[in-house]
Amino acid sequence: KAGVTQTPRYLIKTRGQQVTLSCSPISGHRSVSWYQQTPGQGLQFLFEYFSETQRNKGNFPGRFSGRQFSNSRSEMNVSTLELGDSALYLCASSLDGSGKYGPQHFGDGTRLSIL
Amino acid sequence: GESVGLHLPTLSVQEGDNSIINCAYSNSASDYFIWYKQESGKGPQFIIDIRSNMDKRQGQRVTVLLNKTVKHLSLQIAATQPGDSAVYFCAEKRDQGGKLIFGQGTELSVKP
Repeated sequence: KAGVTQTPRYLIKTRGQQVTLSCSPISGHRSVSWYQQTPGQGLQFLFEYFSETQRNKGNFPGRFSGRQFSNSRSEMNVSTLELGDSALYLCASSLDGSGKYGPQHFGDGTRLSIL
Repeated sequence: GESVGLHLPTLSVQEGDNSIINCAYSNSASDYFIWYKQESGKGPQFIIDIRSNMDKRQGQRVTVLLNKTVKHLSLQIAATQPGDSAVYFCAEKRDQGGKLIFGQGTELSVKP
């Protein structure tokens, strides 16, 4: 079974631009969560989508947004990029987001660099 | 954000020894915990999980211990191998849905 797939793997943007990252969850997984990983802040939760609806949201500004499609694939968008947005963005999927238990499985991330 | 990254603690062990990685979690309401392994250039990889109604759970070469009284979690790796070298994160969950709160991570270095 294929794992979580994130594209692209690497991205370079400049300040003020916007970017869209893509995530394909494991087949059959309905919940998709996004995380930001930086050396200074570690792994931080951005948001979670389940059945095309955002169910949980972390403490990030509104420049960070996402969506989920009917096939459970998800995209994350960051607008008006800032230098501090440089990070590894990770997507994770889980089988049944309606329950509390059950691990999330991560992709290898998109490395976003802002110049 | 809720996960504050600090200088990563490092654990250095000899190949074949047992490793113990510790984690203090933040909220007594958390009732599901997961250990992840992250190798360089890759995303976190699921190792083992445990619910709060358990004190111990074993997997292949790994054991997780949960002490709810002091909000402490540990991961024990038996017969540590060079391939175990990575950063290990504990994560806690307290709500329905997907939000995980991650610890700062511990870097495990295995000397051959």
